[in-house]
Amino acid sequence: EIVLTQSPGTLSLSSGETATLSCRASQSVPARYLAWYQHKAGQAPRLLIYGASRRATGIPDRFSGSGSGTDFTLTISRLEPEDFAVYFCQQYGNTPPITFGGGTKVEI
Amino acid sequence: EVQLLESGGGLVQPGGSLRLSCAASGFTFNNYAMIWVRQAPGKGLEWVASTSGNGVSTYYADSVKGRFTISRDNSKNTLYLQMTSLRAEDTAIYYCVKDPDFYGSGSYCDYWGQGTQVTVSS
Repeated sequence: EIVLTQSPGTLSLSSGETATLSCRASQSVPARYLAWYQHKAGQAPRLLIYGASRRATGIPDRFSGSGSGTDFTLTISRLEPEDFAVYFCQQYGNTPPITFGGGTKVEI
Repeated sequence: EVQLLESGGGLVQPGGSLRLSCAASGFTFNNYAMIWVRQAPGKGLEWVASTSGNGVSTYYADSVKGRFTISRDNSKNTLYLQMTSLRAEDTAIYYCVKDPDFYGSGSYCDYWGQGTQVTVSS
C-alpha cells in the first residue's frame, strides 16, 4: 500500500499569495496517477487535479499540479478568500486500495 | 448536474448493523463504478469499498472485509453499504463517491456526496 504524507499540516497565508502544498509517496506512483481535492467543512470534497497535472472541469487555472514518482505539488496562485480550505492528495496508481494523504489546511 | 445524496447514518451500538444508501442523479449510473470513502474524527480519508458499474466486481479495505457489503441497484440509481458487526473505530463520516471509470479497481474520485455520519457507541 502506498502511504501519502502531506506537508505542511497547516499553511497560513493571505489573499493574493501563493500556496505550495506537498504530497510525498512512500513508493513511486505509477503513471503519475495522483489527484488533488479541496474540502470545506460541511461540503462535498471537490476534485481539482487528476493525473498529477490535469485540471478537472471548471477548476480555475490558478490551481496547478506537478510532480512525478514520489514527489507531487499543488500550487494555488493568487489565493482567493474561497480557497481557504483543506486540501488532500490521493493516489490511484497502485490499487486497490486507493489511498489518501492526511491533508493540508490552508488558512488565513 | 451530478448529485450524490447519502442517507441512513445514525447512532448504533457496537456489534450492531446499519445500511447506508446513496441516491445518484445527473449521470448514467450503470456506466460508472462507485465508491464509499470514510473519514473518522480527526483522521484522514480512508477508502472503504468499491463496486464496478454492473455490480459484478467488488473490492474492500482490509479493515471492513467480511463485515461490510457494497452493492448497487442500477434500476434505482442507488448505491448501498451494508455494515454489520460495527465497531467504535467505524465511527466516521461516510461519503458516496463516483468513479470516472466502469471497473472500480482504482481511480480518482470525480464527484462526492456531502456524507452521512455514522456513530458507533454504547
